[in-house]
Amino acid sequence: DVQLVESGGGLVQPGGSLRLSCVVSGFTLSNYEMNWVRQAPGKGLEWVSNISTSETITHYVDSVKGRFTISRDNAKNSLYLQMNSLRVEDTAVYYCASGGHCPNGVCQHTGYLQHWGQGTLVTVSS
Amino acid sequence: DIQMTQSPSTLSASVGDRVIITCRASQSISGWLAWYQQKPRRAPKLLIYKASTLESGVPSRFSGSGSGTEFTLTISSLQPGDFAKYYCQQYNSYPWTFGQGTEVEIK
Repeated sequence: DVQLVESGGGLVQPGGSLRLSCVVSGFTLSNYEMNWVRQAPGKGLEWVSNISTSETITHYVDSVKGRFTISRDNAKNSLYLQMNSLRVEDTAVYYCASGGHCPNGVCQHTGYLQHWGQGTLVTVSS
Repeated sequence: DIQMTQSPSTLSASVGDRVIITCRASQSISGWLAWYQQKPRRAPKLLIYKASTLESGVPSRFSGSGSGTEFTLTISSLQPGDFAKYYCQQYNSYPWTFGQGTEVEIK
């Protein structure tokens, strides 16, 4: 069974930092681009970031550029999101999600979000 | 950024009804569109990708169509478990963007 399990959420003051982790099982991480998606309380879904299978290419939504860093460790079946300079508006449930399958690690139009974790809540408040 | 607009925002329907949700993109996204279902306090679930490809395990009453800027999600015969919120998402160009969601509620 495919499983993605996030951790690392919690309460942090504005300006603080958190590191989210996502451990995956049931599939070979190196064959999937990986993403972080967030959902503020009572709001819709917002894609935050993704990282290529080879870890060399990353993309971010403008609102987190320069503050968040996505990374992955395929050997540890893990995805990470380092969040610095947190703002009140970053408060949300953060989901990790895989893209579609990339044969031999080569991805073409696999930006749909196939497998999702259960989410971890990040609350930024003083 | 590509803006995704869903309509309606809320839809009231009964079990057995045919339901159609529309998603419009602010510019052409070819067929690079996905649909998700989300129930309260749960993670979203992929239903359809590449506009019309049904994800494995998703019931065939769900179908998707469209290309360019206009897309639809159709539920042919609404079932009790289908009352949820539905989102479209484009993955033609970064940043990936979602529609604001369509709530399907019990009439």
